[in-house]
Amino acid sequence: GAVVSQHPSWVICKSGTSVKIECRSLDFQATTMFWYRQFPKQSLMLMATSNEGSKATYEQGVEKDKFLINHASLTLSTLTVTSAHPEDSSFYICSANDRVGTQYFGPGTRLLVL
Amino acid sequence: ELKVEQNPLFLSMQEGKNYTIYCNYSTTSDRLYWYRQDPGKSLESLFVLLSNGAVKQEGRLMASLDTKARLSTLHITAAVHDLSATYFCAVEVNAGNMLTFGGGTRLMVKP
Repeated sequence: GAVVSQHPSWVICKSGTSVKIECRSLDFQATTMFWYRQFPKQSLMLMATSNEGSKATYEQGVEKDKFLINHASLTLSTLTVTSAHPEDSSFYICSANDRVGTQYFGPGTRLLVL
Repeated sequence: ELKVEQNPLFLSMQEGKNYTIYCNYSTTSDRLYWYRQDPGKSLESLFVLLSNGAVKQEGRLMASLDTKARLSTLHITAAVHDLSATYFCAVEVNAGNMLTFGGGTRLMVKP
C-alpha cells in the first residue's frame, strides 16, 4: 500500500527556535496533503490543507505566519513551526491523498518545546 | 460546520465481551473511516465505508454505515487485550477532501 513518511519522528527544541517537519509520499504523487495536530488524549485537529504549487489553506484559528507550509513538489510538503513555544508541543501528523482521494497518514512527529 | 461525535469516549471491558462504539455526524458525507491509534503512534486504517448499508468485517471488528441516520458503528466481538487502543471515526464530505475526526474512544480490554 501507499506509504507516507515524516521526518523527524521526534524533536526537542528550545523556545524561540524554528522547527521544520517534512512529509513525503514515497510511492505515489500527492497533489493534496493535510497537516493535523493532536494534543495528548485528544482527537486530531486539521491545521491546514497543502496543495502542490499553491498556498496552503489554513483552518480557523491556525496562524499562517507561525505554521508555514510549503508544498514544493508532488511528493513533499513541509511544515515549519516558527518561533516555537511550549504550547506548540504536540504530535503533528500529515496525510496525503492519492489519485483516487484515499488518504494515507504519516507516522507523526512529536514536538517538545522547552 | 460538520460535527462528528463518538460515544463512549472511554470504554473499559472484560475480555470475551461484546460492545459497540457509535459515531454520529451532522452532514451528508462521501466516506466514513475508522482508525485505530496505539499510544505514541499514528493512525492505522481499519475500514472505509462508502455507501448506505455498507458493512465490513476484519477479525473481531465489524463496521457499518447508515447514511440516512448519519450513523456508523464499530462492533467489537469477544474482545481481547490486543484490541486495547483508541479508535477514531472520521468523515470525509467530498472525496479527496479533509477529514473531520470524532473525539475518539479509548478502549481498554481487561484480562
